[in-house]
Amino acid sequence: AQTVTQSQPEMSVQEAETVTLSCTYDTSENNYYLFWYKQPPSRQMILVIRQEAYKQQNATENRFSVNFQKAAKSFSLKISDSQLGDTAMYFCAFMKRSGGSQGNLIFGKGTKLSVKP
Amino acid sequence: GAVVSQHPSRVICKSGTSVKIECRSLDFQATTMFWYRQFPKQSLMLMATSNEGSKATYEQGVEKDKFLINHASLTLSTLTVTSAHPEDSSFYICSARQGASTMNTEAFFGQGTRLTVV
Repeated sequence: AQTVTQSQPEMSVQEAETVTLSCTYDTSENNYYLFWYKQPPSRQMILVIRQEAYKQQNATENRFSVNFQKAAKSFSLKISDSQLGDTAMYFCAFMKRSGGSQGNLIFGKGTKLSVKP
Repeated sequence: GAVVSQHPSRVICKSGTSVKIECRSLDFQATTMFWYRQFPKQSLMLMATSNEGSKATYEQGVEKDKFLINHASLTLSTLTVTSAHPEDSSFYICSARQGASTMNTEAFFGQGTRLTVV
């Protein structure tokens, strides 16, 4: 079975600074996807970034980038130039890619990020 | 991105009654939909996977007779909490994926439903 671990329950960062959220996972699969989702106070889940495990290049989306270390099973999220609107719960998630998978997501417990003015 | 609409956003019901939550994909066909439950300050836990035209697949520990899932069309899945009790109070979230392949990797989420059983 796959597990996703986020070891930082809460973090805070000053506006305009950079913060890194940690995520590790455990799987015996070789083909999978990893995601970071954001859940603001509205509770709407928003996809921040995704990484395909077979790609060595780290994914980036504007101010958001990941450090994907497949051998170490680590998938951290870096948020640059933090903005007040980045305040939210951040969930790391895993999805198996192999045949027969229905595509359900396995989530970590989340990290509550507060961006301070 | 694609839109998933979940209704109602909030519902309060009396203990012993049933509540239906709807999840609609508004601009795409969703062969598979997922139902999650989220306890306060906790993560999303998968309850069941709903496939159009077939029985839902429930995760271990989820009572299928209590949480009835119907996926009668490619755009609508419903979750009915039957004979609700206060311990069923929670935040329920649906998500849908376009098409049948995991190659369509983005899952679109509904806004969630806050269920309170009194």
